[in-house]
Amino acid sequence: EAGVAQSPRYKIIEKRQSVAFWCNPISGHATLYWYQQILGQGPKLLIQFQNNGVVDDSQLPKDRFSAERLKGVDSTLKIQPAKLEDSAVYLCASSLGTSGSLSSYNEQFFGPGTRLTVL
Amino acid sequence: AQSVTQLDSHVSVSEGTPVLLRCNYSSSYSPSLFWYVQHPNKGLQLLLKYTSAATLVKGINGFEAEFKKSETSFHLTKPSAHMSDAAEYFCVVSDQIGKLIFGQGTELSVKP
Repeated sequence: EAGVAQSPRYKIIEKRQSVAFWCNPISGHATLYWYQQILGQGPKLLIQFQNNGVVDDSQLPKDRFSAERLKGVDSTLKIQPAKLEDSAVYLCASSLGTSGSLSSYNEQFFGPGTRLTVL
Repeated sequence: AQSVTQLDSHVSVSEGTPVLLRCNYSSSYSPSLFWYVQHPNKGLQLLLKYTSAATLVKGINGFEAEFKKSETSFHLTKPSAHMSDAAEYFCVVSDQIGKLIFGQGTELSVKP
């Protein structure tokens, strides 16, 4: 079974530029998550989709970050304009159902991440 | 609010010796707890999860964790470390709507 795919794996941009990340979840997974992992910290949830609807975007800086999941499959996360503090690894994860349940049905599977450096 | 605290940012052990990674949690209700591992340039992988059915939880690669409500702890252990265990480990708690809240991480180094 193919895992969660992300691209690009690495990206270097200058501040005030824009950047986009792409995620392809595991086939059949209804829920998709975007996390931000700053160096030396644990991942922090930015946004959660259930199919193509947003479940939780409370931690997404909406003045510069946007995300979409058209057709309920692939997703794109965009930053415009980027700031120095956006340098981080952006992780995508997917699960069959909603997160947090104790059953294996809801386990989150993570992609390898995109490492963003903002100069 | 739910939170986790990983008590060590870095742990170093020798190959073949026991591993102990410490985690304390805070939760206003019966929590769901997880340990994830992150190898360099690879995605996060679930090691084990606490289901409330048993306080001692066994995971992959010989790891296990014990849920202790009286101590609000969920420490991760392994009897004998292997070189391939070197990685970053995250203790995670789930909030009431299922959002995962990660600890700061513990980097495990394994010396030959």
